[in-house]
Amino acid sequence: TQLLEQSPQFLSIQEGENLTVYCNSSSVFSSLQWYRQEPGEGPVLLVTVVTGGEVKKLKRLTFQFGDARKDSSLHITAAQPGDTGLYLCAGVDNAGNMLTFGGGTRLMVKP
Amino acid sequence: DAGVIQSPRHEVTEMGQEVTLRCKPISGHNSLFWYRQTMMRGLELLIYFNNNVPIDDSGMPEDRFSAKMPNASFSTLKIQPSEPRDSAVYFCASSFLDSTDTQYFGPGTRLTVL
Repeated sequence: TQLLEQSPQFLSIQEGENLTVYCNSSSVFSSLQWYRQEPGEGPVLLVTVVTGGEVKKLKRLTFQFGDARKDSSLHITAAQPGDTGLYLCAGVDNAGNMLTFGGGTRLMVKP
Repeated sequence: DAGVIQSPRHEVTEMGQEVTLRCKPISGHNSLFWYRQTMMRGLELLIYFNNNVPIDDSGMPEDRFSAKMPNASFSTLKIQPSEPRDSAVYFCASSFLDSTDTQYFGPGTRLTVL
């Protein structure tokens, strides 16, 4: 069974700071997704990465898929209070097994 | 377009009572998922349906939990009898294709068992 480990588990920063969160596994993934969950809501898809080394940008968010497709990172530039939430990575392994979620990184951006 | 709809949004019940959570997936989606989320254990998959058929129920905690999908537009998750340790937020999600596809989550049902 694949295991997706996210780090850090908790992160509290000031508005304007940069941050990076990580999603790591010993398994190779055919695709990896990042979701954001705001308080009181369900997770919402931010991006899907499928190619090793792929980089995708979504405004101030930069997502990178590792060359070996075993890990991914999410970098946020100039964080804002609206970025506060739980960030979840989820992957589908090469065997085509179902989407599995990591434990999440809980981010708080203080004004 | 309406997203995934869940009801109720909040449920408070006493230990031993039956609880039924309801979900209406996005129209045209072929897969439906039930998850449970707690601070300690994160997001856990309980059961996955494809074309109304349960495909993977290995995450269902025990016999007290049961889920049904009588048609493509409705599913229920039932807990009988409920216990305090069942307190959590329960999410329903749907996807267009299968278990590898992007999932669209409902707003969740916050269950408190006293």
